[in-house]
Amino acid sequence: EAQVTQNPRYLITVTGKKLTVTCSQNMNHEYMSWYRQDPGLGLRQIYYSMNVEVTDKGDVPEGYKVSRKEKRNFPLILESPSPNQTSLYFCASSLGWQGRSGELFFGEGSRLTVL
Amino acid sequence: GDSVTQMEGPVTLSEEAFLTINCTYTATGYPSLFWYVQYPGEGLQLLLKATKADDKGSNKGFEATYRKETTSFHLEKGSVQVSDSAVYFCALGTSGGSYIPTFGRGTSLIVHP
Repeated sequence: EAQVTQNPRYLITVTGKKLTVTCSQNMNHEYMSWYRQDPGLGLRQIYYSMNVEVTDKGDVPEGYKVSRKEKRNFPLILESPSPNQTSLYFCASSLGWQGRSGELFFGEGSRLTVL
Repeated sequence: GDSVTQMEGPVTLSEEAFLTINCTYTATGYPSLFWYVQYPGEGLQLLLKATKADDKGSNKGFEATYRKETTSFHLEKGSVQVSDSAVYFCALGTSGGSYIPTFGRGTSLIVHP
């Protein structure tokens, strides 16, 4: 089954404790991206990657890091989480040209709470 | 820059009512337009799309037409069901050199039996 898998689905952590949210897709997609969803603000893109070793900032990259060492994986790293990073996070992927056009496949989301 | 404006929700309807969720956009170039749906506790799923002016996207009884003259992509369904209760996002694909799709803020739809 074609899917985008995120882990963990739920996480409660404390300020400053580094964490990683993993994302993996089994569709051989070139394009992968991370979004955060906040009430009243909709979806905002954090980072995206057009292919292995090619990443770039989205609209709200501050406080986040990413890496793309393999085509299927695109982890999101919070080096020193803060309470304003409490949010619902989505990973999404797409074939290259479709990612550019906006047709995305989303994971089920990771709800992060930073105390 | 590019932007998407959706009507604010929640939209509350009775089963079998007619649904319209308005979406307008501003963009450079000729982007594709999308509607995504997010059911409770799930990620977003593509509902329908249109890639050029006057295209009509349709799926599961939902329709939307790409209107370049009014820069709109309104979502419609003739008879909603309780199972349609979800959050609906209008989205603008990228154009030019940007690789960042633009999403609206989402409209919550609640359908009562």
